[in-house]
Amino acid sequence: NAGVTQTPKFRILKIGQSMTLQCTQDMNHNYMYWYRQDPGMGLKLIYYSVGAGITDKGEVPNGYNVSRSTTEDFPLRLELAAPSQTSVYFCASSPPFPTDTQYFGPGTRLTVL
Amino acid sequence: AQSVAQPEDQVNVAEGNPLTVKCTYSVSGNPYLFWYVQYPNRGLQFLLKYITGDNLVKGSYGFEAEFNKSQTSFHLKKPSALVSDSALYFCAVRVLYNTDKLIFGTGTRLQVFP
Repeated sequence: NAGVTQTPKFRILKIGQSMTLQCTQDMNHNYMYWYRQDPGMGLKLIYYSVGAGITDKGEVPNGYNVSRSTTEDFPLRLELAAPSQTSVYFCASSPPFPTDTQYFGPGTRLTVL
Repeated sequence: AQSVAQPEDQVNVAEGNPLTVKCTYSVSGNPYLFWYVQYPNRGLQFLLKYITGDNLVKGSYGFEAEFNKSQTSFHLKKPSALVSDSALYFCAVRVLYNTDKLIFGTGTRLQVFP
């Protein structure tokens, strides 16, 4: 049981490049989330999903897109990378209420130059 | 607006001493409250949560937290700190039936000195 896995661990992008951050969970959780973590700012929710085919915006969705075609996978797409997107990105999953403890992946450190 | 505040950026404590990491919240409705810990270069790990019932919640690694509705606080505590407890601690809140999302505080870095 691997839990939540994320790839890649590190990535450096040039301004304007695109990339997809991968997230997979093997716990059959309905809910999945993408956060970004900036120093001194805590975690900000980018997008979340309550099940396959259903996604919704979080606090900071601009510049990102997501899809949820399966229960297991929840990729995050950056279309035109900007320096402001330099951050550490965490994927998480949870079963629905009333358990709703979130399980986090190890993170992807992204730098945009 | 719903929010969580962690008033201390860093807490320093000597090994063996009790520790407290503070958290206050502001929500409409009944709050679900969580503490998570983040070790260097790792994702967040769940420590404990308050849903209902006893105001003192016990969690992983000997940590506990006290829910105080009148003070809208959920402080994290441990009777005797270990050097290995040094990490970044996040408080989070979810409002029942109103959202599927957690709101995280900005984090408090706990440093335990030998």
